Amino acid sequence: GQQVMQIPQYQHVQEGEDFTTYCNSSTTLSNIQWYKQRPGGHPVFLIQLVKSGEVKKQKRLTFQFGEAKKNSSLHITATQTTDVGTYFCAGPFTTSGTYKYIFGTGTRLKVLA
Amino acid sequence: NAGVTQTPKFRVLKTGQSMTLLCAQDMNHEYMYWYRQDPGMGLRLIHYSVGEGTTAKGEVPDGYNVSRLKKQNFLLGLESAAPSQTSVYFCASSKRGAGYTFGSGTRLTVV
Repeated sequence: GQQVMQIPQYQHVQEGEDFTTYCNSSTTLSNIQWYKQRPGGHPVFLIQLVKSGEVKKQKRLTFQFGEAKKNSSLHITATQTTDVGTYFCAGPFTTSGTYKYIFGTGTRLKVLA
Repeated sequence: NAGVTQTPKFRVLKTGQSMTLLCAQDMNHEYMYWYRQDPGMGLRLIHYSVGEGTTAKGEVPDGYNVSRLKKQNFLLGLESAAPSQTSVYFCASSKRGAGYTFGSGTRLTVV
């Protein structure tokens, strides 16, 4: 079936340490999206990766799309308490001609000051 | 620009009661979605719509119905609420293939 898996499920880091979450798909993806959800909040779109091997940066966040377009990663350098939240990846799947994104289970990041 | 607005924000229902959750977007997006979020389960797609007058089933459609009579509105109905439907419900909208804009969510408790 259509699946997007994320690891780890939880990660606790000391402030200033780096953090990485990984996303894997059961099938090749045309693109992949990343979202952040703060505790008690709603998911917010961060970025979309489209090209094989693509790397994009947003300040301390680095997003990478695998060469085979079946996996992706989000790396945060020198975490801050503002990075706390759950990070989701989402991949597009087509069913009966309709196009929708399936979300991974997310990685919950806790940053200890 | 309001984005995606969900009403109500909180609701407590008794088992067997019915209710409708309203989602409204002002971005002229074609696609709209309803997700539920449970601890440790991520976001699971209930139903979605690719345009006015169309709806489709997602991953967990049972017990829910939807309608998209106007492009800007997407309604989620629970005909006979069950405790298993206690969850946080998020509506989202998007252009095809673009990032989603989510509403702030509805916290539903069924007792």
